[in-house]
Amino acid sequence: QQQVRQSPQSLTVWEGETAILNCSYENSAFDYFPWYQQFPGEGPALLISILSVSNKKEDGRFTIFFNKREKKLSLHIADSQPGDSATYFCAVATGGNNKLTFGQGTVLSVIP
Amino acid sequence: NAGVIQTPRHKVTGKGQEATLWCEPISGHSAVFWYRQTIVQGLEFLTYFRNQAPIDDSGMPKERFSAQMPNQSHSTLKIQSTQPQDSAVYLCASSPGLGFQNTLYFGAGTRLSVL
Repeated sequence: QQQVRQSPQSLTVWEGETAILNCSYENSAFDYFPWYQQFPGEGPALLISILSVSNKKEDGRFTIFFNKREKKLSLHIADSQPGDSATYFCAVATGGNNKLTFGQGTVLSVIP
Repeated sequence: NAGVIQTPRHKVTGKGQEATLWCEPISGHSAVFWYRQTIVQGLEFLTYFRNQAPIDDSGMPKERFSAQMPNQSHSTLKIQSTQPQDSAVYLCASSPGLGFQNTLYFGAGTRLSVL
């Protein structure tokens, strides 16, 4: 049983477009939702995160939209750049600890 | 700050051999996590330590896998009698503490290949 689902598995956008990556989860007890970015040969790195008390979090070109009732969230990458080409992981945890459960990831390709 | 250091970066073992993977967390971080990454299963939690004490090993295969943290500057993951299905990238992460305000910082991983 997969606790965190991501879609699509892969996404290709043109430079300058907005990429939208989706995530859903099963357990309503989760209250911390980080997104990690991973480049080939490297470990994942925190990109942006949101707590369940918020429905939106922005950091530059990256925005998380969160719907607690539907247990869904999405990561919007505005003005996508070729350097954004990477794998993006949605993760969940309860705020009391940071033991993360990850989704399967979305591979994003940004074409110049 | 060099970040989380994992050695070796690549390890090749024969089926049935033992493999020991090393992790040096960021200085001052009290929590150390181990994850395994494969194409099929994605990122799977294995175990974590806080202040060198094992807290949760619920993701560890019960046989053949063990993890230790003998001091605050390194942790090891040992796999006995390696099998081809153990082939994966093993990632170590550290954080200043527990709770959402403490970011997990990952190392680059050790790629284990079992022939």
